[in-house]
Amino acid sequence: QKEVEQDPGPLSVPEGAIVSLNCTYSNSAFQYFMWYRQYSRKGPELLMYTYSSGNKEDGRFTAQVDKSSKYISLFIRDSQPSDSATYLCAMRNTGGFKTIFGAGTRLFVKA
Amino acid sequence: DTGVSQDPRHKITKRGQNVTFRCDPISEHNRLYWYRQTLGQGPEFLTYFQNEAQLEKSRLLSDRFSAERPKGSFSTLEIQRTEQGDSAMYLCASNTASGTSTDTQYFGPGTRLTVL
Repeated sequence: QKEVEQDPGPLSVPEGAIVSLNCTYSNSAFQYFMWYRQYSRKGPELLMYTYSSGNKEDGRFTAQVDKSSKYISLFIRDSQPSDSATYLCAMRNTGGFKTIFGAGTRLFVKA
Repeated sequence: DTGVSQDPRHKITKRGQNVTFRCDPISEHNRLYWYRQTLGQGPEFLTYFQNEAQLEKSRLLSDRFSAERPKGSFSTLEIQRTEQGDSAMYLCASNTASGTSTDTQYFGPGTRLTVL
């Protein structure tokens, strides 16, 4: 079993929809939770960064962490065609150096 | 542009050849990481440096792979006797680490390797 599980999709939604992406994990020592966006043939770009449990909002993006359920989510409001990309969840221990990534969910937002 | 840069962006080589990739991290970052990403998967950790010291290597990093960061600035990743299974995107990332606080990692654009 992988430490981080993420549904690879693809997920296809109409423009303006609310998108929900999520990951589950097994290592209770993870404290840092990230979401990266990766366009085709490009490096990952950091979107959201959360420490421990709770919610964090940045513009159209909201990240949620539920450590009791070992479940993290990313919500995208008013989705745009430019949001079409692969979204990678990632996590790390406190003081850790190695980031563990999910496989990524491919998102398509149709105009 | 003060982000992480990688060179070359694409490399096509024949099986058995050696290849070397370069990464230039964000200038004030003392930690540098190498990851490998295959199609449909997330990045997998290969190795990391704090300044010039290589502090951790993944089991994924076979004896054919070697990484250096000689002056604590740029890093090189060399693959000897390449195999078709080495075809992947090789990603470099950097951050700073001080005390108990570790910043998140910022990634470069990657080097895409194709082994024929």
